[in-house]
Amino acid sequence: EPEVTQTPSHQVTQMGQEVILRCVPISNHLYFYWYRQILGQKVEFLVSFYNNEISEKSEIFDDQFSVERPDGSNFTLKIRSTKLEDSAMYFCASRAESEKLFFGSGTQLSVL
Amino acid sequence: EDQVTQSPEALRLQEGESSSLNCSYTVSGLRGLFWYRQDPGKGPEFLFTLYSAGEEKEKERLKATLTKKESFLHITAPKPEDSATYLCAVESGGSYIPTFGRGTSLIVHP
Repeated sequence: EPEVTQTPSHQVTQMGQEVILRCVPISNHLYFYWYRQILGQKVEFLVSFYNNEISEKSEIFDDQFSVERPDGSNFTLKIRSTKLEDSAMYFCASRAESEKLFFGSGTQLSVL
Repeated sequence: EDQVTQSPEALRLQEGESSSLNCSYTVSGLRGLFWYRQDPGKGPEFLFTLYSAGEEKEKERLKATLTKKESFLHITAPKPEDSATYLCAVESGGSYIPTFGRGTSLIVHP
């Protein structure tokens, strides 16, 4: 079965540093998402991406965050200046038209 | 704003002991309700989608049902490999953004 691939699986960074989390969605999918999950808390929506632009974003997705689909296959989440509270598991997901979400295995981000 | 409340937060069962997980929701026009399974350190894995009250879906030992206010995930004769966190999510109206509940952590003892 096709799957969503995320790299790296773990990322450790210093506060204030920039990080880029990478995702390869399933190839024929149209909608792409980033969610995050802080340890012990619920899966929270960050941003959705459709037709090469952001379609919706949450309050969490402030100016420190950005997303790109640079080459038609990869989908990236950039955090410009990380904060301690950005430590979380970040999940990429994709879907075909109005169907179930397929999630990647996540990137565990630790900000020190 | 869509809201999803799952109960109980945690559930311990003996192997073979059937039970149900609850998902209560508030949305402005339900487009779909989803159940996912999440294993530790992994992304959610899709189980079911329900679209209208009265609908039921089954997969192995799991059965999901839907009313206008809540959904149940029934687990019949669970096995230790059913141990996981079960997540409920809803989409409303024209939104394609699933809103998740906090999940129910299920542990099945042999």
